[in-house]
Amino acid sequence: DSGVTQTPKHLITATGQRVTLRCSPRSGDLSVYWYQQSLDQGLQFLIQYYNGEERAKGNILERFSAQQFPDLHSELNLSSLELGDSALYFCASSRREEANTQYFGPGTRLTVL
Amino acid sequence: AQSVTQLGSHVSVSEGALVLLRCNYSSSVPPYLFWYVQYPNQGLQLLLKYTTGATLVKGINGFEAEFKKSETSFHLTKPSAHMSDAAEYFCAVSDQVNSGAGSYQLTFGKGTKLSVIP
Repeated sequence: DSGVTQTPKHLITATGQRVTLRCSPRSGDLSVYWYQQSLDQGLQFLIQYYNGEERAKGNILERFSAQQFPDLHSELNLSSLELGDSALYFCASSRREEANTQYFGPGTRLTVL
Repeated sequence: AQSVTQLGSHVSVSEGALVLLRCNYSSSVPPYLFWYVQYPNQGLQLLLKYTTGATLVKGINGFEAEFKKSETSFHLTKPSAHMSDAAEYFCAVSDQVNSGAGSYQLTFGKGTKLSVIP
């Protein structure tokens, strides 16, 4: 158990819908990273937040957005969902003293029908 | 841009045999290198990492990896495979995206699925 929690574990929805994925980092970790894992693209970095501020963006679609709240939990919002958005979404966190090392949550499996 | 190549999407070994999973990276700066393991229907678990210092790093579950700068490699080994080692293994390289901001983006290889034959 890494100490990173993600909810829900599974999410099934329809095309065109909007969903919110939630992540709670390890206690004391200020950085939260979001990754997408799909069969065709593999594991891809989406976005990073540090203490409430966006710090880095990767291959994140404009239909996707994220935020980090004062209690440091983060939410990834996915809108206008398409079939191709079906994937595993992982959250990872790291602490300032060990910023180069990320610990991953169990993931949320999103299925878009 | 950094990249990671894992040779072999599937590797099969007999129980008790040597495990060798290959990883090569490209980086314009000294890299941070990681191996993660993913068991079926689970998240990514950190196996080991290289940041600085000793080039042979030991991780959990008897795994180790050696950083070879001249070969740009970070291969993962285990002397004797166990059935419980069957999983998918990911090599990753870390790039500090924003200097001073503690922002490290992981670039992953495509993964190697390890099967252990009894």
